[in-house]
Amino acid sequence: SQTIHQWPATLVQPVGSPLSLECTVEGTSNPNLYWYRQAAGRGLQLLFYSVGIGQISSEVPQNLSASRPQDRQFILSSKKLLLSDSGFYLCAWSVGTSSREQYFGPGTRLTVT
Amino acid sequence: QQQVKQSPQSLIVQKGGISIINCAYENTAFDYFPWYQQFPGKGPALLIAIRPDVSEKKEGRFTISFNKSAKQFSLHIMDSQPGDSATYFCAASMWVGGGNKLTFGTGTQLKVEL
Repeated sequence: SQTIHQWPATLVQPVGSPLSLECTVEGTSNPNLYWYRQAAGRGLQLLFYSVGIGQISSEVPQNLSASRPQDRQFILSSKKLLLSDSGFYLCAWSVGTSSREQYFGPGTRLTVT
Repeated sequence: QQQVKQSPQSLIVQKGGISIINCAYENTAFDYFPWYQQFPGKGPALLIAIRPDVSEKKEGRFTISFNKSAKQFSLHIMDSQPGDSATYFCAASMWVGGGNKLTFGTGTQLKVEL
């Protein structure tokens, strides 16, 4: 069965520090991968998605970037965090181009101080 | 217009009652409509989904009703239980560039009371 991992689970970082959040998927090959952000009490906003290694599509201009160095690894980064980057970051996957179902990971709670 | 509007923002239902959450969309390019359930501190879990060529889909106590002409869809939870207390999100999606882009509603906090 497929499993999605995210780490760290929680993170407190000062303004101006760098960020690296990691997401990995097990049990499937060539998944589509997605990064979402959820602000407190709000819905989820799609940040990036990837349909293959090195292929990244950005949805929202922001202080963040994404990379996909391996088939089942998706990384969310920032060079300098802003207070507004605080939130709950969720990685999701779906089965390539044949399935509409997206499955979410456990999330990373980021607090920028 | 990419927005998905969800109501109510919060809902209190007695155990055994019916919970109803409504969503409306504007972009007719959306062609897949999932509902997610989220517990505090956890990632959302896919609950049930529907395509626009179907007017209703039922899975256990959960039913989606879909009105294509009105661009509205709703989630009905029958025989609501305290364990159903969670935040529910509707979403609408379309294929873009090989990716399935989901646009989410703002969520409904459901509380089922004994």
